[in-house]
Amino acid sequence: QLQLQESGPGLMKPSETLSLTCNVSGDSIINRNYFWGWIRQPLGKGLEWVGSMYYSGNTYSNPPLRSRVTISVDTSKNQLSLKLSSVTAADTAVYYCARGSRWEVSTIRGAFDVWGQGTLVTVSS
Amino acid sequence: DIQMTQSPSSVSASVGDRVTITCRASRDIRSYLAWYQKKPGEAPKLLISSASTLQSGVPSRFSGSGSGTDFTLTISSLQPEDFATYYCQQADSFPFTFGPGTKVDIK
Repeated sequence: QLQLQESGPGLMKPSETLSLTCNVSGDSIINRNYFWGWIRQPLGKGLEWVGSMYYSGNTYSNPPLRSRVTISVDTSKNQLSLKLSSVTAADTAVYYCARGSRWEVSTIRGAFDVWGQGTLVTVSS
Repeated sequence: DIQMTQSPSSVSASVGDRVTITCRASRDIRSYLAWYQKKPGEAPKLLISSASTLQSGVPSRFSGSGSGTDFTLTISSLQPEDFATYYCQQADSFPFTFGPGTKVDIK
């Protein structure tokens, strides 16, 4: 059974770079039927897609965050990573990693069907 | 970007009620829509993909319909465990976008 577990710093200061990892267990992170994503939820607010990475190695991120986001995969560790630079209080949120199941072969389209429990990141001076 | 709206923003209902939530996309997304259930302190749970495909293990009282720009999530008979916030998400094109959510609470 696939399980995802995020880990991160918890508390950060403004201007620092957020680094999150998502350990994937129960299946290989390398599977062309799936893609991987990061989604966040600021406290009391809705869900926001941060970005996704596909089997091809292509990554896509939300335009307001694009210049600050790096998503990568470490296949040797079966881990997904997110780096978000120059964080501000607006980046305070619960961050989730999730697996996406493709609805069609070789397209970007799909839904996030397995989620980690989420990790709270607070940015405060 | 494709904007997603949901109505109502909240609904108060009783156990056994039929609840309908509407999601609207700012342009045609065909059937590339998913519905999620979110409870406080828990990860979102995928209920429906491709607008109307019920995920394995999701009770049959949940159903989804629609295509193009207008979509509906229906809970045919609300159960105590269904009190939560529901989000739609379009997966037609980047950036993926979520609706603002519909909170279903106890009347």
